[in-house]
Parts: sequence; structure tokens; C-alpha cells
Amino acid sequence: GDSVTQMEGPVTLSEEAFLTINCTYTATGYPSLFWYVQYPGEGLQLLLKATKADDKGSNKGFEATYRKETTSFHLEKGSVQVSDSAVYFCALSSGGSNYKLTFGKGTLLTVNP
Amino acid sequence: GAGVSQSPRYKVAKRGQDVALRCDPISGHVSLFWYQQALGQGPEFLTYFQNEAQLDKSGLPSDRFFAERPEGSVSTLKIQRTQQEDSAVYLCASSYQGRYYEQYFGPGTRLTVT
Repeated sequence: GDSVTQMEGPVTLSEEAFLTINCTYTATGYPSLFWYVQYPGEGLQLLLKATKADDKGSNKGFEATYRKETTSFHLEKGSVQVSDSAVYFCALSSGGSNYKLTFGKGTLLTVNP
Repeated sequence: GAGVSQSPRYKVAKRGQDVALRCDPISGHVSLFWYQQALGQGPEFLTYFQNEAQLDKSGLPSDRFFAERPEGSVSTLKIQRTQQEDSAVYLCASSYQGRYYEQYFGPGTRLTVT
């Protein structure tokens, strides 16, 4: 079945540091890939998405590129802020059940001033 | 505008009790989803509604779990004869029809079974 593996947390960075959170997937066919973010006390919200190979999703300074050859969708940001502190979830949907999101375990990011 | 709301936010149940968890989706969102999130894990799909029709219930872990959305808006997830392994956060999400990739999540209901 479909699965998502993302790097274990927690990740602690200083403000303005470079961020990478690794995500790899296993899926049948050609999945759509997502990053969701959960800020403290809030519900999950879509951060960015990519629906086909080599697509780059971007939002709020975050980027991720759909790499079919390495089945990866790593999240990056060049300069993190304290306000980026949150839990980040990599997810996919695929096939006939494209409404069904399959999530990774989540990575807690803490950014210190 | 108002987001997805869920109630109660916290629920403690004794093993064997029945519980009902409510979800109010965003107005106009045809699609509604329930997920279960165990501690330290990502959300796992339980069931999906389009309007009042339950189109997929493949993720419900047992026949003790039942979900309904009788008028195509509010949904209730019911768990009968709760067990300790049911302890988790239950998340509801909604989306516009066809825009499944952008699901709007509620804050969740944390269920603890003692």
C-alpha cells in the first residue's frame, strides 16, 4: 500500500538557518504530493502541493520538488523564522482514492530566536 | 470565515462506553473526511462523505465505529463500546468538491479511554 516516510524530529534551528525536512514515498501510479503544517493550537493546513513529476510547490518561502526518480518530496526553506515553528506532515494521494490522504508521522520544527 | 469546528475538544470515556464526536464543516464544502491520529503518528484515513453519501468507509478500524452525515452538513463519528486502543485524536476535514488536495482540518477531538 501507499506510505510516506519523513525524517524523524524534533528539528531545532536558529532563526535564519536553512531548513530541509526529508520525505520519501511509496505509491502505486503517480501520486500527488503535499506538505501540511500544524501550528500550535491550530488544525492542519495545506502548505504546498505538487501533482506531477518535476513540479515545484511553493508557499510562504517553503519549496518542495516532486522527484519521481528518487520518490522524494523534500521540504526546504532558505531562512526560517520563529513563526515557522510547527509540525510538518508530508502526505500523498493516489489512484482512484485520490481523496484519501496518506500522511507521514510528522516532524516537529522549533526555531529559536 | 469560520473554519471546521469539532466538539467536544476533549473527551474522557470509561472503557465500554459509547461516544459521539461532532464535526461542523465549512459551509459549502461538499466533501467531508474523518481521520484518526494516534500519539506520535500522522493522521490515518477513516471515512469519506460526499454530501450525505458515505462513499468510503474502508479505514474504519472495526464495526464499533460508525459515521453519519444525514443532511450533508454536520457529521457525527460514533464509537461504541470504547476500548483503550481507541484513544487518539479524531480529526475532521472538509473540502470543495473535486478539490480533495486542499482539505481544511478542524482542531480535533482528543479521546482518552480509561
